Amino acid sequence: SQTIHQWPATLVQPVGSPLSLECTVEGTSNPNLYWYRQAAGRGLQLLFYSVGIGQISSEVPQNLSASRPQDRQFILSSKKLLLSDSGFYLCAWSVFGGATNEKLFFGSGTQLSVL
Amino acid sequence: RKEVEQDPGPFNVPEGATVAFNCTYSNSASQSFFWYRQDCRKEPKLLMSVYSSGNEDGRFTAQLNRASQYISLLIRDSKLSDSATYLCVVRAGTASKLTFGTGTRLQVTL
Repeated sequence: SQTIHQWPATLVQPVGSPLSLECTVEGTSNPNLYWYRQAAGRGLQLLFYSVGIGQISSEVPQNLSASRPQDRQFILSSKKLLLSDSGFYLCAWSVFGGATNEKLFFGSGTQLSVL
Repeated sequence: RKEVEQDPGPFNVPEGATVAFNCTYSNSASQSFFWYRQDCRKEPKLLMSVYSSGNEDGRFTAQLNRASQYISLLIRDSKLSDSATYLCVVRAGTASKLTFGTGTRLQVTL
């Protein structure tokens, strides 16, 4: 069965520090991979998605970046964190099975606090 | 107008009650609809897909009304464990990404 691992679960970082969040998927090949952010009391905001190695699409301009060095690995990074980067970051995967069948499955999330 | 809108709640209901949430979407070409459940500080988990003919899974029933552009989730015989935030999710078209609503919070009490 497919599983998704995301770490760390909690992170406290000072403003201006770098960030690296990692996500890996097991049990499937060539998944679509996503990074979402959920601010307190807000909906999920899509940050990046990837349909293959090295293919990254950015949904929202910001100081974050994403990379997909391997088929089942997705990394979210920042060179300098801002206070506004605080939030709950979720990695997700899907396998496209037609427009009505694609469902997202989420990792356990990383609660990032930028102080 | 937001692409996907939900009443944030909270809906406070006693155990055993029936509760229903609606979610409206703005794009009439939307093709896929889902309900996710999210517990506090946890990841969203797929609850059920929503099909045109409506579908039921145990105590949960999902319906789609294309004419009025909304989907609904009905929970019968509410349990304490149903307390969570319920997210409405819509895909606008075959090449579109999923759009999440901000969620409706449900609190089931004794």
